[in-house]
Amino acid sequence: EAQVTQNPRYLITVTGKKLTVTCSQNMNHEYMSWYRQDPGLGLRQIYYSMNVEVTDKGDVPEGYKVSRKEKRNFPLILESPSPNQTSLYFCASSSGLAGYTGELFFGEGSRLTVL
Amino acid sequence: DAKTTQPTSMDCAEGRAANLPCNHSTISGNEYVYWYRQIHSQGPQYIIHGLKNNETNEMASLIITEDRKSSTLILPHATLRDTAVYYCIVRPRDMRFGAGTRLTVKP
Repeated sequence: EAQVTQNPRYLITVTGKKLTVTCSQNMNHEYMSWYRQDPGLGLRQIYYSMNVEVTDKGDVPEGYKVSRKEKRNFPLILESPSPNQTSLYFCASSSGLAGYTGELFFGEGSRLTVL
Repeated sequence: DAKTTQPTSMDCAEGRAANLPCNHSTISGNEYVYWYRQIHSQGPQYIIHGLKNNETNEMASLIITEDRKSSTLILPHATLRDTAVYYCIVRPRDMRFGAGTRLTVKP
């Protein structure tokens, strides 16, 4: 089954404790992206990747890192989480030339709480 | 980069057509209009997309104006399960999802 898998789905952590949210897709998609969703603000893009070893900042990259060492994986790293990073996070992937075409497939979301 | 504007919320009676507008007046010639919806806090789900011709699939119809500056998503016979937030985005340049339109289908 084609899917985007995120882990963990739920996490409560404390300020400053490094964490990684993993994202994996099994569709051989070139394009992958991370979004965060906060009440009233819709989905905002954090980082995206057009292909392996190619990543770019989205609209709200501060406080986040990503890497794309393999095509299927695109982890989101919070080096020193802060309470303002409490949010619902979505990973998405897409096929097509550098993600220019094709629908976005979303994961089920990861709800992160930073105390 | 092309941006989209959508009404914050809309209501629709069950069984009636739901018409959701989107304004994308700065769209470029090679940019597509995509529609997604999000039910509760699930991951957004693709509905339909188009470039300049009207499109229809099993879920919805997409009407794009001739100047491509706006479009309308039509759910022909809305059900209670269509209650969701609907997002209109422009690709490839603009991957941003705004706040979308919260559609409430009422019995």
